[in-house]
Amino acid sequence: ETGVTQSPTHLIKTRGQQVTLRCSSQSGHNTVSWYQQALGQGPQFIFQYYREEENGRGNFPPRFSGLQFPNYSSELNVNALELDDSALYLCASSSSGKNYNEQFFGPGTRLTVL
Amino acid sequence: QKEVEQDPGPLSVPEGAIVSLNCTYSNSAFQYFMWYRQYSRKGPELLMYTYSSGNKEDGRFTAQVDKSSKYISLFIRDSQPSDSATYLCAMTGGGRGSTLGRLYFGRGTQLTVWP
Repeated sequence: ETGVTQSPTHLIKTRGQQVTLRCSSQSGHNTVSWYQQALGQGPQFIFQYYREEENGRGNFPPRFSGLQFPNYSSELNVNALELDDSALYLCASSSSGKNYNEQFFGPGTRLTVL
Repeated sequence: QKEVEQDPGPLSVPEGAIVSLNCTYSNSAFQYFMWYRQYSRKGPELLMYTYSSGNKEDGRFTAQVDKSSKYISLFIRDSQPSDSATYLCAMTGGGRGSTLGRLYFGRGTQLTVWP
């Protein structure tokens, strides 16, 4: 069974640029959630995708957007990067079965905005 | 008031000690409770997953949930240096629609187990 994978591992951007982060869900999982984890903090929910539709959104501005593809992989796009966007971005996948709330995380993408 | 409160530590214990980690929460709609372990600069790893109140044991780990007090705990018996990591509590109301499926995390407790 393949776990959740994310790419790239690290990324350095400058303020105002745009970035795309990618996530492949665990085999058999059709729901993907994205979280932002600042240094020394717990992960904060950005949004969730189920069946290629956004299924809920946290307190993040519209410049954070996403996609889910038919194979359940997902992208997180961030436009007009700000210094405060520097964080570890985590993708989590879950199944549609009885353990729907059991979310499994990937290794994350560490984004640095200069 | 944050939805989930967790003492960030750091917590330092000798090998073999019993470790107690705790979180409190304010939202009575939370029904599913999780503990994740996160090593430095890595993604969180799911350790324990419980529904509603009660205890769940898995090897050296025991998770307790007291919904009446809005308090959850993770106990680690016979702690090992390899247990050194940040432990995150997380919880959710469950289900889909709106943000019912989102996880609410504590800020994590940094644990060091020294030999």
